[in-house]
Amino acid sequence: GDSVTQMEGPVTLSEEAFLTINCTYTATGYPSLFWYVQYPGEGLQLLLKATKADDKGSNKGFEATYRKETTSFHLEKGSVQVSDSAVYFCALLGGGSQGNLIFGKGTKLSVKP
Amino acid sequence: EPEVTQTPSHQVTQMGQEVILRCVPISNHLYFYWYRQILGQKVEFLVSFYNNEISEKSEIFDDQFSVERPDGSNFTLKIRSTKLEDSAMYFCASSEYGLAGQETQYFGPGTRLLVL
Repeated sequence: GDSVTQMEGPVTLSEEAFLTINCTYTATGYPSLFWYVQYPGEGLQLLLKATKADDKGSNKGFEATYRKETTSFHLEKGSVQVSDSAVYFCALLGGGSQGNLIFGKGTKLSVKP
Repeated sequence: EPEVTQTPSHQVTQMGQEVILRCVPISNHLYFYWYRQILGQKVEFLVSFYNNEISEKSEIFDDQFSVERPDGSNFTLKIRSTKLEDSAMYFCASSEYGLAGQETQYFGPGTRLLVL
């Protein structure tokens, strides 16, 4: 069945460092791909999405490109801030799905000043 | 900005008791979902709901679980007889469309359920 694999955390970076969180997926059909973020004590917030191959989602300085050839949707940010400390979840919505998201395990990011 | 709300934020219950978790989806949304996240594990799909009936449910969503839209605004998840392993964070989500497979789901802040 469909699945999402993302890099294990936790990831600890200094402020202004470059961030990459890897995400790969297995899916039949043509899924939509998402990154959600969970700040401490809060719920899941949509960070960005891409609905077809080669689409780039972007928001708040974060970017991810839907790569069909490598089945990947890696999250990147050029310069992280302390306020980016959170848990990041990669997720897919399968092309044949009734609508349930399939999530990765989440990657905890800590940014130190 | 419209948002999904959930109550309570925390619930502690005894094993075998019934609990009802409440959600108010975004007002013009038509598709509703429940997910759960056991501590340290993945967020898992439980059930989707459209037009007053269940669209899809996972293997987790057994006879102990039920969902209801009792009025025009609330969407509830009932666990009839809670077990220790039901302890988790429960997230409600809603989307404007669903079956197109492309629509974004917006999540509430979650209810943390602890079964003792």
